[in-house]
Amino acid sequence: EVQLVESGGGLVQPGGSLRLSCAASGFTFTSYAMTWVRQAPGKGLEWISNIDGSGGSTYYADSVEGRFTTSRDNSKNMLYLQMHSLRAEDTAVYFCARGGYLLMGLWGDGTTVTVPS
Amino acid sequence: QTVVTQEPSFSVSPGGTVTLTCGLSSGSVSTTYYPSWYQQTPGQAPRALIYSTSTRSSGVPDRFSGSILGNKAALTITGAQADDESDYYCLLYMGSGISVFGGGTKLTVL
Repeated sequence: EVQLVESGGGLVQPGGSLRLSCAASGFTFTSYAMTWVRQAPGKGLEWISNIDGSGGSTYYADSVEGRFTTSRDNSKNMLYLQMHSLRAEDTAVYFCARGGYLLMGLWGDGTTVTVPS
Repeated sequence: QTVVTQEPSFSVSPGGTVTLTCGLSSGSVSTTYYPSWYQQTPGQAPRALIYSTSTRSSGVPDRFSGSILGNKAALTITGAQADDESDYYCLLYMGSGISVFGGGTKLTVL
C-alpha cells in the first residue's frame, strides 16, 4: 500500500528536543523529494521544510531555520525531522508529504507535538 | 517578508460556481510560482487538487480547475457539491527551495 506514517510526536517542555519520523511504503522513496508541513491548532498549513530525493539538499522556513533539521535514510525509506529548542508556537500537527514545491501528492495523517507555554 | 493572501471565507450555493484566489502582498502571481491548491476537511490530512497552476492531481474531478486571473492564481469550482465544503490552501514556490502556503479559505456550501 502506498502510504506515509508519521510517528514520534508528544509532549515536550520548552527548550526541549524531539525527533519525528515518517515511514514511507509502496513507492520508490528515492524518486521523490519529501516535505514537512505543520498545522497549529485552529490555524492554517505552514510549509516548514523540504529535502531532495538524495538527501543532499534541504530547505527550511525562517520560523524553524537553525532549530530543525530534516534528513532521510533512503535504505530504510524513512524521513526525519529533528527539532531542538522547541517553543510553545511549535505546537502543531506535523505532516510529512511526498513531493516538493511542484506537487505534494501523498500525505500522512500527521503526528501531534505539544509544547506547553 | 512576502505574504500569500487568500480570502478567509467564501460561500457558494449547491450547483454554483466559485473562484478562490491566491495573491501576494507584494507583486503578482505567475506560473513561475508553480501555484498549487490543497483541500482539507477538519481532522483530515490535506489532499492535492491542482499543481503547476492548472494540472489536476490524480483522481480530482474536472469541476476543479486552476488558472491565473489577473495578478493572482485562482481555483474555480464549477457545480459545487456539499462535500466541497472544506478549507482550501494555495501554495506558492518562492524560489531557493522555499514554499509558502496562503492562510486558507474556508468554503461553505449552502
